[in-house]
Amino acid sequence: GQQVMQIPQYQHVQEGEDFTTYCNSSTTLSNIQWYKQRPGGHPVFLIQLVKSGEVKKQKRLTFQFGEAKKNSSLHITATQTTDVGTYFCALYNFNKFYFGSGTKLNVKP
Amino acid sequence: SAVISQKPSRDICQRGTSLTIQCQVDSQVTMMFWYRQQPGQSLTLIATANQGSEATYESGFVIDKFPISRPNLTFSTLTVSNMSPEDSSIYLCSARHRNEQFFGPGTRLTVL
Repeated sequence: GQQVMQIPQYQHVQEGEDFTTYCNSSTTLSNIQWYKQRPGGHPVFLIQLVKSGEVKKQKRLTFQFGEAKKNSSLHITATQTTDVGTYFCALYNFNKFYFGSGTKLNVKP
Repeated sequence: SAVISQKPSRDICQRGTSLTIQCQVDSQVTMMFWYRQQPGQSLTLIATANQGSEATYESGFVIDKFPISRPNLTFSTLTVSNMSPEDSSIYLCSARHRNEQFFGPGTRLTVL
């Protein structure tokens, strides 16, 4: 399988603070996807990034694909308790998606 | 979007037995996959379920242990054979539909 590192492993923030998770690959990626998994739930697709340097926004979430297409980030502005969960990046290779280690976000009200 | 259902949702099994998990998608999809997820861990890809041919397994997973069927474009099964406590995990079915990957609710397996 492919190696995808995500940092940090855990993040505890106060509601209203910002949050960022980073995904790093040793190889150039054709595309990358981001997923959110709520506690007790299954992963839910958030977005796909394809182009070098691409930036996409979904309300308070900003997704970025690195210029070299080897890394990506997810930034949440002004976190809310509904943001609690684990965020996974998934890299695409040979027609399959391999998931990163995930970042578990806890938001204190 | 694609809606995926899995059966059973959970099971407790004895060592040495086998369990077959069913996955049903509400639309025809080209690609279906099986993942395993330990509580609090990431998802590990077991195999790609190929319609009309043998599944493609990832390193560390073999057909004898995890036989997979894919008789059509909406259905797949994963069997966990000769189970041991190390097989206790959540097994997730996944399907790709229009560049998005959708997941079933998972099957929580406990092996005693």
